[in-house]
Amino acid sequence: QQQVRQSPQSLTVWEGGTTVLTCSYEDSTFNYFPWYQQFPGEGPALLISILSVSDKKEDGRFTTFFNKREKKLSLHIIDSQPGDSATYFCMNTGYQNFYFGKGTSLTVIP
Amino acid sequence: ETAVFQTPNYHVTQVGNEVSFNCKQTLGHDTMYWYKQDSKKLLKIMFSYNNKQLIVNETVPRRFSPQSSDKAHLNLRIKSVEPEDSAVYLCASRDWGVYAEQFFGPGTRLTVL
Repeated sequence: QQQVRQSPQSLTVWEGGTTVLTCSYEDSTFNYFPWYQQFPGEGPALLISILSVSDKKEDGRFTTFFNKREKKLSLHIIDSQPGDSATYFCMNTGYQNFYFGKGTSLTVIP
Repeated sequence: ETAVFQTPNYHVTQVGNEVSFNCKQTLGHDTMYWYKQDSKKLLKIMFSYNNKQLIVNETVPRRFSPQSSDKAHLNLRIKSVEPEDSAVYLCASRDWGVYAEQFFGPGTRLTVL
């Protein structure tokens, strides 16, 4: 099963706070996990991605962690900003298919 | 900067009508996709297409069909729409390689009355 389970479904944080989103999976063909960010009225866009050879990847305020043993990944956003308010999706890649999590709707309150 | 273009932005129609949505990418990618995003934001891949191979998600009803004139264009046709077809349809393109990024268009929102 290459489906991914994502939590929480929605999350509200104060500006400046830390946001943590998580995903888990049962099986992965390539152990490659991108996170996509989607703003209202737009298509998703790649935010950050990680390969199984790494357990952490950082890009500015965004960090993704990968735990191969537990088959879990997470996205941390430090110093969350109102402009981060969006829906976030983790994704698992199969040979000819992509499996998106159900998404986390993040609201950052000023 | 938008590189995957979709038209129309919105479309309202009645049950039983035929609709067609357009998608064009200017990235030079070989592979294009159609996704359906429902009201709960759930994203499901419908079709994967390059100039050699069409892969259809087995859960997609037969009234849906992709149409391509060249590798930069992939349209979506729905024959005889149903109420459950109301959703946002997203087109995406991607370069060759497992780790290649997908680039999405802004989507077409379909409402079936």
